[in-house]
Amino acid sequence: EDQVTQSPEALRLQEGESSSLNCSYTVSGLRGLFWYRQDPGKGPEFLFTLYSAGEEKEKERLKATLTKKESFLHITAPKPEDSATYLCAYKAAGNKLTFGGGTRVLVKP
Amino acid sequence: DTEVTQTPKHLVMGMTNKKSLKCEQHMGHRAMYWYKQKAKKPPELMFVYSYEKLSINESVPSRFSPECPNSSLLNLHLHALQPEDSALYLCASSQEETSGSPTKNIQYFGAGTRLSVL
Repeated sequence: EDQVTQSPEALRLQEGESSSLNCSYTVSGLRGLFWYRQDPGKGPEFLFTLYSAGEEKEKERLKATLTKKESFLHITAPKPEDSATYLCAYKAAGNKLTFGGGTRVLVKP
Repeated sequence: DTEVTQTPKHLVMGMTNKKSLKCEQHMGHRAMYWYKQKAKKPPELMFVYSYEKLSINESVPSRFSPECPNSSLLNLHLHALQPEDSALYLCASSQEETSGSPTKNIQYFGAGTRLSVL
């Protein structure tokens, strides 16, 4: 059965303390692995899409990587404005976009 | 521009009311989606429209009725809801429902409608 698991559930960081979020997946026929950021009470904001193992994408302090079993979202020198819930999602042969449980990140000044 | 506009932002309704949620996009996307999100949970897919036809219904109760009048508009009609239906309702759109190009599969979300059923 296709599934995706995110860890940790919550992460508290000091400003400037780099860390990584994990998204482990078991998916047949992967048609894309997506990362979104969601602020409280708002819709998810698209960050990255990854498709092939070895692929990497960067945007400001965020870098997403993909292996055959996992994706990582690296946050380098985070700032308080990086506080949010980060969601990974996959799209497989069934066409649905299925989300992991998310990682709530809090960056303290 | 990747804007999906949802109205209203907030909605309070009684269990006997009929109301509608509206979603609009002008990106030329041909797939549109409704999701339901409860607090501290990820979004859950409800419906998918592709080229204005209902493509996926995730066994949603009939008190939720989707409608796609044209390629830019998506409505969700609500009737006889229960308190447990209170949630954030999200609309999204993508270029295509399914494509070999991951870029065309990217879903862009609106800000959502916060629904409270009393």
